[in-house]
Amino acid sequence: AQRVTQPEKLLSVFKGAPVELKCNYSYSGSPELFWYVQYSRQRLQLLLRHISRESIKGFTADLNKGETSFHLKKPFAQEEDSAMYYCALNSGGSNYKLTFGKGTLLTVNP
Amino acid sequence: NAGVTQTPKFRVLKTGQSMTLLCAQDMNHEYMYWYRQDPGMGLRLIHYSVGEGTTAKGEVPDGYNVSRLKKQNFLLGLESAAPSQTSVYFCASSYGSRGQNTGELFFGEGSRLTVL
Repeated sequence: AQRVTQPEKLLSVFKGAPVELKCNYSYSGSPELFWYVQYSRQRLQLLLRHISRESIKGFTADLNKGETSFHLKKPFAQEEDSAMYYCALNSGGSNYKLTFGKGTLLTVNP
Repeated sequence: NAGVTQTPKFRVLKTGQSMTLLCAQDMNHEYMYWYRQDPGMGLRLIHYSVGEGTTAKGEVPDGYNVSRLKKQNFLLGLESAAPSQTSVYFCASSYGSRGQNTGELFFGEGSRLTVL
């Protein structure tokens, strides 16, 4: 069965510090992974997907199949990065049925 | 474009009452989803639909029913509400065909339901 694990419920860093939000997955097929973000009073929205291999708002995430991980990283955190972050795994093939992790609340302190 | 719109945004029910949450999208998306969000549990898929007239069960379907009579609407029904169904409900939609579908889900603002 598919599973997404985000081991940290809360993560607090200072502005300018590096940040890494951890995500591990369990899936028997070829994984397709995403990071979604929910800022305060805003809708949940896509941050990035591993297939596109892009950097969004300074965040990057690399799929490591050997370690079954898809950690989200940013070298210098900003206060506006404070939000709830969800890692998600597509377990539905072309139907795109996403399984979400439990989320990590990131707080960037001034 | 309004995107994905959910109504109502807030509702308080008594145990045993019934209600329907409406999700409407104006992006001509094929796929629609209902998730529930609970503290410490993340988002869990209740039901989803890959096209008009189709529905399928997700991870936590018990106690809910859905209908997709029109492509733009996806209804979530609670026939006999229970306190365990107190949650924030999110509707989402996405493109259908493989060529267009990047896997990006577009979410509504959420509907907060309290069952007393």
